[in-house]
Amino acid sequence: DADVTQTPRNRITKTGKRIMLECSQTKGHDRMYWYRQDPGLGLRLIYYSFDVKDINKGEISDGYSVSRQAQAKFSLSLESAIPNQTALYFCATSDFEGGDYGYTFGSGTRLTVV
Amino acid sequence: ELKVEQNPLFLSMQEGKNYTIYCNYSTTSDRLYWYRQDPGKSLESLFVLLSNGAVKQEGRLMASLDTKARLSTLHITAAVHDLSATYFCAVDYLNDYKLSFGAGTTVTVRA
Repeated sequence: DADVTQTPRNRITKTGKRIMLECSQTKGHDRMYWYRQDPGLGLRLIYYSFDVKDINKGEISDGYSVSRQAQAKFSLSLESAIPNQTALYFCATSDFEGGDYGYTFGSGTRLTVV
Repeated sequence: ELKVEQNPLFLSMQEGKNYTIYCNYSTTSDRLYWYRQDPGKSLESLFVLLSNGAVKQEGRLMASLDTKARLSTLHITAAVHDLSATYFCAVDYLNDYKLSFGAGTTVTVRA
């Protein structure tokens, strides 16, 4: 099993629908993140959580919400999806490993809003 | 606001030749990361650079960091087709434990 698992892998939804993207991890890391990738823009931070009770907005949080259900689970919701939220979404975790501070990314969820 | 700029954004390489990707960032950083992404795939960690003058090498890739110039370079030696991918640099600003990414450099290696 992957260290960071995202579901679903692909999703097509209609404008105005509420949708949830889920992320679970087996690394035991406290810090978790949601990033969005658009062509030519790199990855941009949507929300991050440093523990179950600590949730923070990133640079592009408008239109999104999150829930940290447990140390291992961090979900991203689009309350009312719009076409410009079509993107590739990545969940990530981070912690010190082997002397370095590293980030582990999930496989991504490709979301299309029509 | 931390800004991370990569150049070039697109790089067409000829097999066997050497190339460099540049990553500039705007403010003091604790760590600089290089990642590789194949189309439709996740990000694969290549290097973590922590201090001024740090140099790391893995195969045909070598990354270096100059914190005074706020510049990191990813040098590719004798390019081969397998290196075709998008390469990202990312910066962790002052122990914020958040990454700010460059736009990525899409590398295509041709025969």
